[in-house]
Amino acid sequence: NAGVTQTPKFQVLKTGQSMTLQCAQDMNHEYMSWYRQDPGMGLRLIHYSVGAGITDQGEVPNGYNVSRSTTEDFPLRLLSAAPSQTSVYFCASSYSSTGHTEAFFGQGTRLTVV
Amino acid sequence: GEDVEQSLFLSVREGDSSVINCTYTDSSSTYLYWYKQEPGAGLQLLTYIFSNMDMKQDQRLTVLLNKKDKHLSLRIADTQTGDSAIYFCAERAAAGNKLTFGGGTRVLVKP
Repeated sequence: NAGVTQTPKFQVLKTGQSMTLQCAQDMNHEYMSWYRQDPGMGLRLIHYSVGAGITDQGEVPNGYNVSRSTTEDFPLRLLSAAPSQTSVYFCASSYSSTGHTEAFFGQGTRLTVV
Repeated sequence: GEDVEQSLFLSVREGDSSVINCTYTDSSSTYLYWYKQEPGAGLQLLTYIFSNMDMKQDQRLTVLLNKKDKHLSLRIADTQTGDSAIYFCAERAAAGNKLTFGGGTRVLVKP
């Protein structure tokens, strides 16, 4: 099983450039989310989606856009990259449940903005 | 809002027990989780505990939850070099699937 697949694994951008980080899952999970990981700060939620066509903002949404046109895919767009967006980005997915549900994480995308 | 705190670093000798501590603020948390991150990899779920439990044991892992003090701990018995990693605690609020993570504790196991 592929699980959660993120591409690319590494990316260097110049300030002001745009790009899309891809995330796909093959587990038919309703819930998908994007986090950024910065040293000592854990993972901070950027955006999330509870199902196709529905997205919402997390803790640090500024500078990022998302869409969820299918259950499988949840791309994250940086419209105008800034050095403050240098980070490691993780996509995660899980079943929507009121009970325990495990979040599955991708391998991460290491982004450097110069 | 929710806040989850962890100490940054723990050094332990191989064969000893490790204890990683975590505090959280959201009293409505339903589930609390421990994730492990090895270098260059994503997070993997280690174990979890439901908020109405005090303790959960899973092989070398023991999770203790003090709901009154909002304190969560993870004990790893007979720590091995392969346990060197960053460990994150996370809490899940009553509504929805959102997880709030602590800053992570880097565990270094010395031979």
